[in-house]
Amino acid sequence: AQSVTQLGSHVSVSEGALVLLRCNYSSSVPPYLFWYVQYPNQGLQLLLKYTSAATLVKGINGFEAEFKKSETSFHLTKPSAHMSDAAEYFCAVTDTGTASKLTFGTGTRLQVTL
Amino acid sequence: EAGVAQSPRYKIIEKRQSVAFWCNPISGHATLYWYQQILGQGPKLLIQFQNNGVVDDSQLPKDRFSAERLKGVDSTLKIQPAKLEDSAVYLCASSLIRGGSGEQFFGPGTRLTVL
Repeated sequence: AQSVTQLGSHVSVSEGALVLLRCNYSSSVPPYLFWYVQYPNQGLQLLLKYTSAATLVKGINGFEAEFKKSETSFHLTKPSAHMSDAAEYFCAVTDTGTASKLTFGTGTRLQVTL
Repeated sequence: EAGVAQSPRYKIIEKRQSVAFWCNPISGHATLYWYQQILGQGPKLLIQFQNNGVVDDSQLPKDRFSAERLKGVDSTLKIQPAKLEDSAVYLCASSLIRGGSGEQFFGPGTRLTVL
């Protein structure tokens, strides 16, 4: 069974600083990996996904993530944080089967301070 | 393009009462999902439909939860009777492609409080 672990339930950065949100996965087969963002009282929105093409994936709003098989990681980064990035971020994994389901991590709340 | 619609947005009930949630997916999306998101946790899949057939309901507490998608479009999720631990946000999502790489589009959710 697949699972993801998100290290750090809360991360605080200053505006303009690097954002790094950590995600490690566990999967017995090659996975697909996703990062979703959730703003207060809203549903989840896809930031980016890895589907076995390029290991460096670029997403919306300046975010990117790198798939590292040797480290079983898929960390999310953004070079310069903006106040509007404050939200909850979820890493998710699924396998490549046709009836796969998403398994989410517990989430990381990003706070951006002035 | 209209997104995934859910209603109601908020619901407060007492334990042992029943409640129903409604979801209308994006037009043309054959796959529909219901998730339960408990405060402080990631969403957990309750049930997945492909058109009007159930693909996965392994994590649905079938003694109290039921879901249907009769015409392969909109869907309802029901809880009867509700327990305190059912307090959560219930998210509906839909996707065009069934399976791993297909992006799931989420609705705003229904926040259920059971007193």
